[in-house]
Amino acid sequence: AQSVTQLDSQVPVFEEAPVELRCNYSSSVSVYLFWYVQYPNQGLQLLLKYLSGSTLVESINGFEAEFNKSQTSFHLRKPSVHISDTAEYFCAVGRRGTDKLIFGTGTRLQVFP
Amino acid sequence: EAGVTQFPSHSVIEKGQTVTLRCDPISGHDNLYWYRRVMGKEIKFLLHFVKESKQDESGMPNNRFLAERTGGTYSTLKVQPAELEDSGVYFCASSQVRGYNEQFFGPGTRLTVL
Repeated sequence: AQSVTQLDSQVPVFEEAPVELRCNYSSSVSVYLFWYVQYPNQGLQLLLKYLSGSTLVESINGFEAEFNKSQTSFHLRKPSVHISDTAEYFCAVGRRGTDKLIFGTGTRLQVFP
Repeated sequence: EAGVTQFPSHSVIEKGQTVTLRCDPISGHDNLYWYRRVMGKEIKFLLHFVKESKQDESGMPNNRFLAERTGGTYSTLKVQPAELEDSGVYFCASSQVRGYNEQFFGPGTRLTVL
């Protein structure tokens, strides 16, 4: 069975500092990987995804994630965060043959001025 | 273009009562998904509709939950009778095609069962 682990439930960081949100998954088959973000009082929005090809994927707002098959990880990074990045971030896994996504428990990123 | 909408945004009911949640997907999206997040835990898949047909309902917790999508447009999720452990946030998502295209999520319905 697949599972997703987000070890950090909360990550406080100061504005303009770098951040890494960790995500590890377990699966015996090839997977697709996603990061979703939920801003206060909004629905989940897709931040970035890995389906195949280059293991480094980027979002339009400066986040990036790298698929590491040997370590079964898909950590999310940003070199310099903004106040507006304050949100909850969810890592998710999918696999071929089914549309359902398996989510982690989420990481609350709190950016302080 | 309107996104996925869900109604109500909040619902507070007593144990044993019935509640119906509604989801309106993005127009033209044949695929509709229900997920649930119990407090502090992961978001869990409940089921997947393709048009009006249930494609995968492996995540439905028990027979107190009934999902419908008559006509392949909006969907309802009924909980009857509600139990305390049903409290959580219920998310609906939709996508245009099968496979790993983006699932667009609604803001969720927060259900509290007292």
